[in-house]
Amino acid sequence: GQQVMQIPQYQHVQEGEDFTTYCNSSTTLSNIQWYKQRPGGHPVFLIQLVKSGEVKKQKRLTFQFGEAKKNSSLHITATQTTDVGTYFCAGPEGPGGYNKLIFGAGTRLAVHP
Amino acid sequence: DGGITQSPKYLFRKEGQNVTLSCEQNLNHDAMYWYRQDPGQGLRLIYYSQIVNDFQKGDIAEGYSVSREKKESFPLTVTSAQKNPTAFYLCASSIGLSPLHFGNGTRLTVT
Repeated sequence: GQQVMQIPQYQHVQEGEDFTTYCNSSTTLSNIQWYKQRPGGHPVFLIQLVKSGEVKKQKRLTFQFGEAKKNSSLHITATQTTDVGTYFCAGPEGPGGYNKLIFGAGTRLAVHP
Repeated sequence: DGGITQSPKYLFRKEGQNVTLSCEQNLNHDAMYWYRQDPGQGLRLIYYSQIVNDFQKGDIAEGYSVSREKKESFPLTVTSAQKNPTAFYLCASSIGLSPLHFGNGTRLTVT
């Protein structure tokens, strides 16, 4: 079945360093979504990418969707302690009028001050 | 404020007992979902429902049951047939192709 894989599983950085997480799907995606889950919290939607090669920025966060629409990345510039959490990518399973998502395992980010 | 309410936040049960997790939303969303999260793993879909009185199995439905009698409510029952029920359970909703909106989750511990 469809799979969404994420690497790395876990990353430590010093505050101020950059961070990148990568997401790969076994199938072409109609869109890809990114969520952030703070420790002890629930996933919160960050962004959705739809177009091939799309790049979107949210302050220090840059999201990319690959040309083949099978991979994506999230890059954080100059990490802060508020960036701590687990970042998940997710893609819809097949066509449909609703958002049934397959999630990657997530990348857990630890930021040391 | 609109949102999704899951209760309780923590739940403890003895092995062999069924337990029902509550999920209520006032977002007027058509679709609702139940995901299970285990440490170091992503979210895995248990059941989902697009409309009232209709629901479909997700990837790990064995040992679980749901109902969707009202648009606002999508309770999940963890039955004694679920072999490893201890986990963090997340309910979510969406409308059309909008992103998922999650509740705060219920952490279930079965001993």
